[in-house]
Amino acid sequence: DAGVIQSPRHEVTEMGQEVTLRCKPISGHDYLFWYRQTMMRGLELLIYFNNNVPIDDSGMPEDRFSAKMPNASFSTLKIQPSEPRDSAVYFCASSPTGGRFSEQYFGPGTRLTVT
Amino acid sequence: GESVGLHLPTLSVQEGDNSIINCAYSNSASDYFIWYKQESGKGPQFIIDIRSNMDKRQGQRVTVLLNKTVKHLSLQIAATQPGDSAVYFCAEGKNYGGSQGNLIFGKGTKLSVKP
Repeated sequence: DAGVIQSPRHEVTEMGQEVTLRCKPISGHDYLFWYRQTMMRGLELLIYFNNNVPIDDSGMPEDRFSAKMPNASFSTLKIQPSEPRDSAVYFCASSPTGGRFSEQYFGPGTRLTVT
Repeated sequence: GESVGLHLPTLSVQEGDNSIINCAYSNSASDYFIWYKQESGKGPQFIIDIRSNMDKRQGQRVTVLLNKTVKHLSLQIAATQPGDSAVYFCAEGKNYGGSQGNLIFGKGTKLSVKP
């Protein structure tokens, strides 16, 4: 398996522009997570899905952020309009459902820079 | 609020020595704890996990210890190698009726291995 795939790997945009980050989870995984990582705040969970349904979006900073999962193999995280403070590395992770707790498999991340 | 944190932000060890990375957690209701390793420019990678009803678990060159009395988690790496240089995160999670909940990550400890 190719693992979790994220695109783009790097994104540089100007303040006010719309940004869309993409994720393809590992095939067969039922959970998908979006995280944001910064030096100041560390790794923060933004939202996660189970079977394409958003379960907890309490970590989404504000209405400028939205996430969708139209099918089991694709998810997007959109920021509109983007602001310089949104600059961070955004990770997508997926995990399977199991009787025991499960590890999360992280993608390589998208480094977002908003100028 | 509930949080997961680390005692030491940086740790420098000599190649071949054993490393111990510590983590304090505050949510006594967490069901499991996980250690992740993050190399520069990559996403976090699962190392080892432990259920809350266990106090020790061993993997390949790694051991995780859980002390619920003092809410402390540690990761021991035997015979540390240069390839172990990375940032290590502890995370805690809780199952909900057999389904997975989200993970809460600590801030991370940077491990540097001196040759």
